[in-house]
Amino acid sequence: AQTVTQSQPEMSVQEAETVTLSCTYDTSENNYYLFWYKQPPSRQMILVIRQEAYKQQNATENRFSVNFQKAAKSFSLKISDSQLGDTAMYFCAFMRRYTGANSKLTFGKGITLSVRP
Amino acid sequence: GAVVSQHPSWVICKSGTSVKIECRSLDFQATTMFWYRQFPKQSLMLMATSNEGSKATYEQGVEKDKFLINHASLTLSTLTVTSAHPEDSSFYICSASFGGGGNEQFFGPGTRLTVL
Repeated sequence: AQTVTQSQPEMSVQEAETVTLSCTYDTSENNYYLFWYKQPPSRQMILVIRQEAYKQQNATENRFSVNFQKAAKSFSLKISDSQLGDTAMYFCAFMRRYTGANSKLTFGKGITLSVRP
Repeated sequence: GAVVSQHPSWVICKSGTSVKIECRSLDFQATTMFWYRQFPKQSLMLMATSNEGSKATYEQGVEKDKFLINHASLTLSTLTVTSAHPEDSSFYICSASFGGGGNEQFFGPGTRLTVL
């Protein structure tokens, strides 16, 4: 079974600053995907970024980038130039790379990020 | 992008009644749909996975007779909370996927259920 750990329950950052959210995971799988999801106050889950474990290059999406350390099983999210709209709960998630139809997501507990004006 | 809707967005019901929540993929065919439950300030807990035309697969500890899931078509899955009680009050979220390993799940906006 896979586990995803987000040990920081809350973080706060000043607008325009950079913040890093931590995530570690445990798995015996070699092929898998990692995700960061954002859940703003509206509670709509939004995919922020996705990393394929077989790719060494860290994924980047505009202001969002990850630091993927496969050997250490670490997957942190860096948000640059933080904006007020980044205020949300952020979830780290794991999915096996599996050819079957039912690829389940395993979520961490989440971290509440507040961006201060 | 792929859009998933849920209806209703919120519902209040009396204890002992049944409530049906619909999850629809609006612009794609969803091979697989997932149902989650979320308590305030907590993570998403997977309840069950459903494939079109098949019986749902429930996670350990989820009562299949209380949470009935039907995935009748490639665009519609329903979750029926039977004989609802106050402890069933929660935020229910569905997601839909094209299926296959690693395919992205597209999430609905959620349904807030309050049982009085």
